[in-house]
Amino acid sequence: DAGVIQSPRHEVTEMGQEVTLRCKPISGHDYLFWYRQTMMRGLELLIYFNNNVPIDDSGMPEDRFSAKMPNASFSTLKIQPSEPRDSAVYFCASSLGGGGVAGELFFGEGSRLTVL
Amino acid sequence: AQSVTQLGSHVSVSEGALVLLRCNYSSSVPPYLFWYVQYPNQGLQLLLKYTTGATLVKGINGFEAEFKKSETSFHLTKPSAHMSDAAEYFCAVSPRGQKVTFGIGTKLQVIP
Repeated sequence: DAGVIQSPRHEVTEMGQEVTLRCKPISGHDYLFWYRQTMMRGLELLIYFNNNVPIDDSGMPEDRFSAKMPNASFSTLKIQPSEPRDSAVYFCASSLGGGGVAGELFFGEGSRLTVL
Repeated sequence: AQSVTQLGSHVSVSEGALVLLRCNYSSSVPPYLFWYVQYPNQGLQLLLKYTTGATLVKGINGFEAEFKKSETSFHLTKPSAHMSDAAEYFCAVSPRGQKVTFGIGTKLQVIP
């Protein structure tokens, strides 16, 4: 079975450019999460969706970040404009509900973003 | 609000020795507790979880953890370390029905 698929795996861009990260969750999962991982702050939850609807975006650092989930099989995380401090590994994860957001999370392999 | 404290960002053990990774949590309601493992250049994967019932939980690859409510702890153990256990381990807490909060992670080094 296919797991969570993220693209691109690596992205190097210059400050000020727009970055779009993509995620395909596991089929049938009704929750989707975006996390950011850095050495200094560890794993931070940015936003999560339930049945394609954003539920909690309190972790989104600022207005430069936006996320969408147009359908059950696709989500994007966009940064515009990007800054060097956005450099991190961004993970997408999905889970099957039945107990809210406490279920097992299935992670993609991550997108490593470097902003020069 | 909930939080997780992992004691020791780096732990080194000899191959064959006991692995003990410490995790303490705070939660205003009975929590679900998790341990995840991350191998280099990969996403996190679930090792084990505690939701209800038996407080000693067994996971994959010979790992286990015990939920101790009185100590607010959920330490991860493995009797004998293998080289393949070298990875980063994350403890996580989720007050029932709420979002998951991860600890900062502990990197485990296994020395031949």
